[in-house]
Amino acid sequence: QSVLTQPPSASGTPGQRVTISCSGSSSNIGTTPVNWYQQLPGTAPKLLIYNNSQRPSGVPDRFSGSKSGTSASLAISGLQSEDEANYYCASWVDSLNDLLVGGGTKLTVL
Amino acid sequence: QLQLQESGPGLVKPSETLSLTCTVSGGSITSSPYFWGWIRQPPGKGLEWIGSLSYSGNVHYSPSLKSQVTISVDTSRNQFSLKMYSVTAADTAVYYCARRNTGWQAFDFWGQGTMVSVSS
Repeated sequence: QSVLTQPPSASGTPGQRVTISCSGSSSNIGTTPVNWYQQLPGTAPKLLIYNNSQRPSGVPDRFSGSKSGTSASLAISGLQSEDEANYYCASWVDSLNDLLVGGGTKLTVL
Repeated sequence: QLQLQESGPGLVKPSETLSLTCTVSGGSITSSPYFWGWIRQPPGKGLEWIGSLSYSGNVHYSPSLKSQVTISVDTSRNQFSLKMYSVTAADTAVYYCARRNTGWQAFDFWGQGTMVSVSS
């Protein structure tokens, strides 16, 4: 059982906006930045969001991240079929020497 | 473009040592501000961070795996390696190497992963 809690599944129809939550504690999300990774079926994870809300070059602005207190969220607007993937949140323990990863959320595009 | 490639045996016997190497191309392993790390994913399960190190050998391990693993770097070959000792079936997983951008505190480049099965 992961220290960072994510819903196991989420779904939406094309064009919809969906959000995925990630809940932690004061020793991780409450203190250090949250990152989000997208893992398409059969592929390596890809960095989607870093430092709570920043997007690496090439990531569409349909993806956005936010953090409040000990929780974080990933929002996907204008949902597309190619967004169907597993999404993981991650946060370092406040020492920055131990990485925690959420259990993952499987997003289904209906 | 930076590329990372894992290599090593796909099958390891229980109680033996798992050894993997990650070769970095398209960039230097000594460049800043980066650490280099290993992450694994058991079949059908989520991601688990194993550890990270800098090119100078500053290493951090997951507390749950610390007694079982060693991560090292070979700057002359632009490679870093993972050794996991006394493996069991629970160590069966896809093992990924990745670059940790310490400015972002995130893994921004990943290898494609290599499947390692622990079985007799």
